[in-house]
Parts: sequence; C-alpha cells; structure tokens
Amino acid sequence: GIQVEQSPPDLILQEGANSTLRCNFSDSVNNLQWFHQNPWGQLINLFYIPSGTKQNGRLSATTVATERYSLLYISSSQTTDSGVYFCAVVFSGGYNKLIFGAGTRLAVHP
Amino acid sequence: DGGITQSPKYLFRKEGQNVTLSCEQNLNHDAMYWYRQDPGQGLRLIYYSQIVNDFQKGDIAEGYSVSREKKESFPLTVTSAQKNPTAFYLCASGPWGTEAFFGQGTRLTVV
Repeated sequence: GIQVEQSPPDLILQEGANSTLRCNFSDSVNNLQWFHQNPWGQLINLFYIPSGTKQNGRLSATTVATERYSLLYISSSQTTDSGVYFCAVVFSGGYNKLIFGAGTRLAVHP
Repeated sequence: DGGITQSPKYLFRKEGQNVTLSCEQNLNHDAMYWYRQDPGQGLRLIYYSQIVNDFQKGDIAEGYSVSREKKESFPLTVTSAQKNPTAFYLCASGPWGTEAFFGQGTRLTVV
C-alpha cells in the first residue's frame, strides 16, 4: 500500500553535531514537505520540495523523486532544533491527499 | 492578521456530547485538512476538502463530520460515535496541489 517511512525514529545529538533524516515513499509524488513540530505542538514549515535541493540557513533538503526518497540535513545542531520532524507527501493521482510519515524525534543536548 | 485560526485552544467535553472545532483561514486557500494526533504519534488524516461544498474522507473519518459551506471555514464535529476522542486536532490549508500550512491546534479532552 501507499507508505511514507521516516528514519531514524529517534535521534540524540550533542549541540554542534550534524544529522541526516530520511523519508522514503512508496510511489511517485506531486508534493513533499518537511515540518518541525515544536514542544507546543505547532507545525512549522521547513521545506516544500517535491524535487531538487533547497537550503535555508543550517537546514537543507534534497528530494530524489525518481528514487523515491528525501533527505533533511541539519548542520551545527542547536538545542532549539529539538522536537519532531515530519515528512508529508501527496502521491500522484492522490487527489491532493497529504499523508504524513511517523516522524523522527530529535533531542539535542547542550 | 493573515493565517489559519483554530479555536478554542483547549476544549473539554463530557462523554456522549458532540463538539465542534473551528478552523478559519483568510489566505484564500482552496484546500483544507483536519488531522488527529495522539501523544507520541504522527498525524492521521480525518477529512480534507478541495473546494466549497466538497470534502473527502481521510483514513480515520468514523465518528467525525465536516462541512465546507464557505471557502474560509472548515469546522470539524466530533460526534458521540467517536469512541476515543481525546487528542490533539490540527487544521491545515493551502493552495490546491502545493504547500500546506497549519493552525496552532485544539487539544480536546473528554471528562
């Protein structure tokens, strides 16, 4: 069936470390987004990236649509990066149905 | 202010009662969505809508109902048929086929 899988499920880092989060999806997509959920539950848009590479400060993302995966890179991590990172996709022919992965829970320690 | 507004922020409901969660957007977005999130879990799609007077069931629609009478409003009713309604509810909107944006959520507790 249609699936969005994120890895790793949990990640613990020391402040200043780099990390890579992965999102695999089971079919071709029209839309892919990365979100950060803060401790208050708010979902913050990080990237809208159905294909290609984008960068925003210490964060960057790459989607390789033909190979059905996306990567989120966090460099020089800070304690404020802690929270849950979600990947969400709209599958082609999916009538704009936005489906979320289970998330990666990140804890950055000082 | 432009944005997506969910109200109330916290809601308490007695067992057996229906309750309606509000979601309003003034961004002229066509698409609107409702998600449910349980503690430590991901987001599950309840209902979504592309245009006024049209909406589709998501993965967990049982016990919920919606309406889309106006482009800017997409209220969610949690009915007494929903057996475990305590959860965090998130509404989103976006231009058709592109980026979605979220409101701040409503925490519903059954007492």
